[in-house]
Amino acid sequence: DAGVTQSPTHLIKTRGQHVTLRCSPISGHKSVSWYQQVLGQGPQFIFQYYEKEERGRGNFPDRFSARQFPNYSSELNVNALLLGDSALYLCASSYRHSPLGGVLNYGYTFGSGTRLTVV
Amino acid sequence: AQSVTQLDSQVPVFEEAPVELRCNYSSSVSVYLFWYVQYPNQGLQLLLKYLSGSTLVESINGFEAEFNKSQTSFHLRKPSVHISDTAEYFCAVSDKGNLIFGKGTKLSVKP
Repeated sequence: DAGVTQSPTHLIKTRGQHVTLRCSPISGHKSVSWYQQVLGQGPQFIFQYYEKEERGRGNFPDRFSARQFPNYSSELNVNALLLGDSALYLCASSYRHSPLGGVLNYGYTFGSGTRLTVV
Repeated sequence: AQSVTQLDSQVPVFEEAPVELRCNYSSSVSVYLFWYVQYPNQGLQLLLKYLSGSTLVESINGFEAEFNKSQTSFHLRKPSVHISDTAEYFCAVSDKGNLIFGKGTKLSVKP
C-alpha cells in the first residue's frame, strides 16, 4: 500500500511568489494535517482537515491556506513568500479526526515532506 | 495549551551503550504522548505511543518509554543502541487532536 505521498519533494521559490504543495493520504484515511518544520526545530501544526472541512488551525498568518478535495487529498497554499517560510512541510494522514484525540488511536502517518527554499 | 520540552538537543553515545532521551510535557487532565524518529532527509516515523493503560510502552526495535504522570515525563530508553539508531527523535503530545512537538534530540551513535 502506498503511504502518504507529497509533491514536489523539493522546491525553490523567490520572495513574494506563491506556492502550492500537494498531499495524498493513505487510502481510506479521511483526515489530513499540515506541519511546518524549520531547520533545527520540531514540526509546528498549521492546519487539519477532515471530510473536506477545516477542523484546526495553528498560529500561522493568513498567507497560509489549505483545502481538502473529495478524494481526501489536500493542498497547502502559501502567498507572498518570505525567507522565513523556508522549511520542510510535512503532511500527515489519519483515519478520522476527534477533538478528544480519537484520531490518535489510529496514529498519524507522515509523508516524506516537501523541502521549500525561498530565496 | 500543551507544550513539550526535550531536555537534550544532542546525545552522543557509543554503540551498544544504553541511552535515555528525556521528554517533559505540560500537565493536562488527559494526555496522549508519542515519540517519532526522523532519519536524514526523511519524514517522521512513529516509534511508540502512550494512549492509556500500561505506563510502559515498547517499540518493535527495542525502544521503550515510560509515562510518569507525577513527573509529567515520557522518557525514551534503549538498553543497547546501534549505529542505525542515529537519527533525530521528537517527543509529541496531543492537543485537541493535533500534535505539539518538542524541538528534537539528535542521537549520534558512534562505533
